[in-house]
Amino acid sequence: LAKTTQPISMDSYEGQEVNITCSHNNIATNDYITWYQQFPSQGPRFIIQGYKTKVTNEVASLFIPADRKSSTLSLPRVSLSDTAVYYCLVGDNRDKIIFGKGTRLHILP
Amino acid sequence: DGGITQSPKYLFRKEGQNVTLSCEQNLNHDAMYWYRQDPGQGLRLIYYSQIVNDFQKGDIAEGYSVSREKKESFPLTVTSAQKNPTAFYLCASSIEDRPQHFGDGTRLSIL
Repeated sequence: LAKTTQPISMDSYEGQEVNITCSHNNIATNDYITWYQQFPSQGPRFIIQGYKTKVTNEVASLFIPADRKSSTLSLPRVSLSDTAVYYCLVGDNRDKIIFGKGTRLHILP
Repeated sequence: DGGITQSPKYLFRKEGQNVTLSCEQNLNHDAMYWYRQDPGQGLRLIYYSQIVNDFQKGDIAEGYSVSREKKESFPLTVTSAQKNPTAFYLCASSIEDRPQHFGDGTRLSIL
């Protein structure tokens, strides 16, 4: 199973764009890259998933370079409510996946 | 409204007791998972089941047991053999190659 590395914490300000990068050097051919958001005392919530290039939905964008050894979650114009832990995971969705410690994002007013 | 329901939200256990955490889903998902989360840590996989009447150990299965008699239900029993059961327990489900969908967890504490 591919392991991921992401920053332990990040701070940003309301209204700014936040980019969180994740490294996954051993990603397998069949693996997707998935990001979850977790608030205290709640279950993780799916944000976005991609395989290559760029994926965009109503809340975020995911950028994946050609070698797929890293990915960047981009949150446009964050608000205080985006303060949470963000997890980057790699896997084929059909087997167990590994959650690391995630990135604690703190949005300041 | 489809989703995963975990109950109870808070649970207290006395030393030496077994307790069972409930997880029910009405998403018609084939696979179900149990994770444990300790403060400031990521999620660790306890057990998972990809089909009814079958389940596999995850990374930290010792002191836990599960059953999967129905597609929609995957209860987790925390046995007295689990020496450090205080944690936040999360249940998830998935279908085919779609991402896992999580419940809102049960917080277990020892009296």
